[in-house]
Amino acid sequence: RKEVEQDPGPFNVPEGATVAFNCTYSNSASQSFFWYRQDCRKEPKLLMSVYSSGNEDGRFTAQLNRASQYISLLIRDSKLSDSATYLCVVNYHNNDMRFGAGTRLTVKP
Amino acid sequence: NAGVTQTPKFRILKIGQSMTLQCTQDMNHNYMYWYRQDPGMGLKLIYYSVGAGITDKGEVPNGYNVSRSTTEDFPLRLELAAPSQTSVYFCASSYSTNEKLFFGSGTQLSVL
Repeated sequence: RKEVEQDPGPFNVPEGATVAFNCTYSNSASQSFFWYRQDCRKEPKLLMSVYSSGNEDGRFTAQLNRASQYISLLIRDSKLSDSATYLCVVNYHNNDMRFGAGTRLTVKP
Repeated sequence: NAGVTQTPKFRILKIGQSMTLQCTQDMNHNYMYWYRQDPGMGLKLIYYSVGAGITDKGEVPNGYNVSRSTTEDFPLRLELAAPSQTSVYFCASSYSTNEKLFFGSGTQLSVL
């Protein structure tokens, strides 16, 4: 298994749709998990941290499944502005932060 | 509040040339990272540092060197540029691994 692996995508969805991304990680000792958003090769920006009990921020919900070693991101009521690449980030060994390859989302009118 | 500052924004190198990508942060973060991003790919970790005087290799360290003489600065050195090093380079810093990464705006490097 790769250190951090994401759904290959791309995902093309209509406005208002619900879409979910998964990300698996190989190191069971990993403790920190994040979802970042990246637009057009600009620098990534934090979307949300992922907590053990799961967390929600408006239309976005993040979940962590330690037993199966994956994190997920659910986007409800997709907007055109949600079109971007979504990157999962996991601390692989202690202090190094590893990125998944990213999943491209396009929301269409 | 400048955050993370990377220079230069763009650079074209010839094969075999050397250069240093500069990265400075003014947030007193101990953790700093260098990533590269190839087209259509995610970010790959080159080197990272957990504090002044301490550096560690990431996923793709070959062909690069770093130093961390101060908390603020984390330069990335390319000694003998190769076409395979054509990429976008991002520097990032954080207070800890439980906190978000602050990114610089990136350096587009082409080696021809």
